[in-house]
Amino acid sequence: EAGVAQSPRYKIIEKRQSVAFWCNPISGHATLYWYQQILGQGPKLLIQFQNNGVVDDSQLPKDRFSAERLKGVDSTLKIQPAKLEDSAVYLCASSLDRGDYNEQFFGPGTRLTVL
Amino acid sequence: DAKTTQPNSMESNEEEPVHLPCNHSTISGTDYIHWYRQLPSQGPEYVIHGLTSNVNNRMASLAIAEDRKSSTLILHRATLRDAAVYYCILRDVGEYGNKLVFGAGTILRVKS
Repeated sequence: EAGVAQSPRYKIIEKRQSVAFWCNPISGHATLYWYQQILGQGPKLLIQFQNNGVVDDSQLPKDRFSAERLKGVDSTLKIQPAKLEDSAVYLCASSLDRGDYNEQFFGPGTRLTVL
Repeated sequence: DAKTTQPNSMESNEEEPVHLPCNHSTISGTDYIHWYRQLPSQGPEYVIHGLTSNVNNRMASLAIAEDRKSSTLILHRATLRDAAVYYCILRDVGEYGNKLVFGAGTILRVKS
């Protein structure tokens, strides 16, 4: 079974530039998550989708971050404009649904460096 | 979200058992205890979860205190590949369902 795919794996940009990350979840998984992981910390949930609808985006900095999940499959996370503090690993995860016992499967992440 | 407390780091010898503690004194009756781990340069992966009873799977065992205010993840024979950050997470069956709130976790170092 193929895992969660993410691209690119690494990205270096200058502050105030824009960047986009792509995620392809495991086939059949209804729920998709984007996390931000700053060095030395645990992942922090940014946004959660159920199919193509947003369930929880309470921790998404909406002035600069946006995300979409067209057709309930692939998803993109965008930062515009980027700040130095956005340097982090961005992890995508998916699960079968929102049920409590459904484990989340994580992708390898995209490491973003903002200079 | 209920909080968990874990040691910052632990060290183990290869081939020996490892007991990773987690305190969650404010746990509620519906909070599940989940453990994930994150190997270097990878995303987290699920290890085990439980509610009240002790649980075993191919990766580890989870021992839950009778009052549920603490739990211990047990790796029966640590290998070098078990070196990772281990996260103890409480998940309430709430509005958003499957939401994980990660702390800083415990860095496990395994010596050969």
